[in-house]
Amino acid sequence: KAGVTQTPRYLIKTRGQQVTLSCSPISGHRSVSWYQQTPGQGLQFLFEYFSETQRNKGNFPGRFSGRQFSNSRSEMNVSTLELGDSALYLCASSLGGGLGDTQYFGPGTRLTVL
Amino acid sequence: SQELEQSPQSLIVQEGKNLTINCTSSKTLYGLYWYKQKYGEGLIFLMMLQKGGEEKSHEKITAKLDEKKQQSSLHITASQPSHAGIYLCGAHEEGSNYKLTFGKGTLLTVNP
Repeated sequence: KAGVTQTPRYLIKTRGQQVTLSCSPISGHRSVSWYQQTPGQGLQFLFEYFSETQRNKGNFPGRFSGRQFSNSRSEMNVSTLELGDSALYLCASSLGGGLGDTQYFGPGTRLTVL
Repeated sequence: SQELEQSPQSLIVQEGKNLTINCTSSKTLYGLYWYKQKYGEGLIFLMMLQKGGEEKSHEKITAKLDEKKQQSSLHITASQPSHAGIYLCGAHEEGSNYKLTFGKGTLLTVNP
């Protein structure tokens, strides 16, 4: 089976712009989670989607949003980019997303905001 | 909210040596995951522990879960340069089945 794929792998944007990142889960997986990783804060949970519904959201401002499509692919959007949004954005997929359900991670999208 | 503290933060060992990384939770553990990450890349799943006293092994890596201490340990036997990377523990928060909280990671360097 193909693993989790994320596009693009690298992205450079300027402050104030918006960005959309894409995640394709492992075939058969219906839960997709997004995380932000920075040197200072480590890995932080953004949100999780299952069957096109957001089930959980982390403590991030409303500039961070996401959605999931009927084929389980997911996108996350960051509007009005700030320098502090520079990070590695990781998505992870799992079968159902609950307790004991292993999350498999993609390679990440490295976002640099200038 | 739950916090996971990993120790040590970084570790340098000589090839062939054994080592242990610890992960301690501030709250009750509901499933504990271990991942490995090469710098700037995605996380590779290593093992998941769910029950107190559970122990799992894969090749030269063994993980244990001590529910009473709210702690998990990851032990590598006869380390190799291929073991180098960042090891992260993650756990579900109580009442939040879909969200994983992660420790800050342990950076392992293995010198040949």
